[in-house]
Amino acid sequence: NAGVMQNPRHLVRRRGQEARLRCSPMKGHSHVYWYRQLPEEGLKFMVYLQKENIIDESGMPKERFSAEFPKEGPSILRIQQVVRGDSAAYFCASSLGQGGDQETQYFGPGTRLLVL
Amino acid sequence: GIQVEQSPPDLILQEGANSTLRCNFSDSVNNLQWFHQNPWGQLINLFYIPSGTKQNGRLSATTVATERYSLLYISSSQTTDSGVYFCAVLKTSYDKVIFGPGTSLSVIP
Repeated sequence: NAGVMQNPRHLVRRRGQEARLRCSPMKGHSHVYWYRQLPEEGLKFMVYLQKENIIDESGMPKERFSAEFPKEGPSILRIQQVVRGDSAAYFCASSLGQGGDQETQYFGPGTRLLVL
Repeated sequence: GIQVEQSPPDLILQEGANSTLRCNFSDSVNNLQWFHQNPWGQLINLFYIPSGTKQNGRLSATTVATERYSLLYISSSQTTDSGVYFCAVLKTSYDKVIFGPGTSLSVIP
C-alpha cells in the first residue's frame, strides 16, 4: 500500500511564475490536508479538502493560493505569481476520515519550493 | 485558538541515553499525534495518542488528556533518532490540526 505521494519533490520558480504542487493520498483516503513549513519553523495548516470540496481553508493566504481535490486525480496546490517569501516545504497529508484512529494523518515527503 | 507548547526546544544526547519530550496544550483535544522529522525533512508518524499510553520499540508516549499534556519517551537513543519531534493536536473532528514548535534532538555518538 503506497504512502502519500507528492510531486515534484523539488521545484524552482522565478518570481511571477506559477507553481503547481501535486498530492496523491494513500489508497482509500478521502481527506487531504496541506501544510507549509518555512525554514527553521514548524508546520502551519493551510487547507483541508475532501473529494471536490474545500472543508477548511482558514490557513490559506487570501490571494494567489488555491487548492483543489477533484473527483479523479491528485489534489493540487496552486500558487500564482510566486514571490520569494513562498519558498518553503509544502507537505500534504491524508486520512481516512473523522473519528478515532481514522483521523490519523499520514504525510507525504513534501515539495521543496525555491523562488529565485 | 488552541496553543501548543513543546519542551525542551533543543536537546543534545549522548548515544544510549534516555529522554523525555513534553507537549502541553491549552484546551481539550480530540486527537494528538507525535511526528519525527528526520534531517532529510521527511515526516514520520510516530503515535496517534489522544489518551493513554502506547509503546513502539524504544519509543513510548503517554497522554494525560485531563491535564492537557503528552510525553514522548525515547530510550537508548541512537544517532538515527536525531531530528525534530513535533506534537500536533486536533480540537474537534472538523477543526484544523495545530502543530507545536517542535523539539530539536541531536544524538551524538
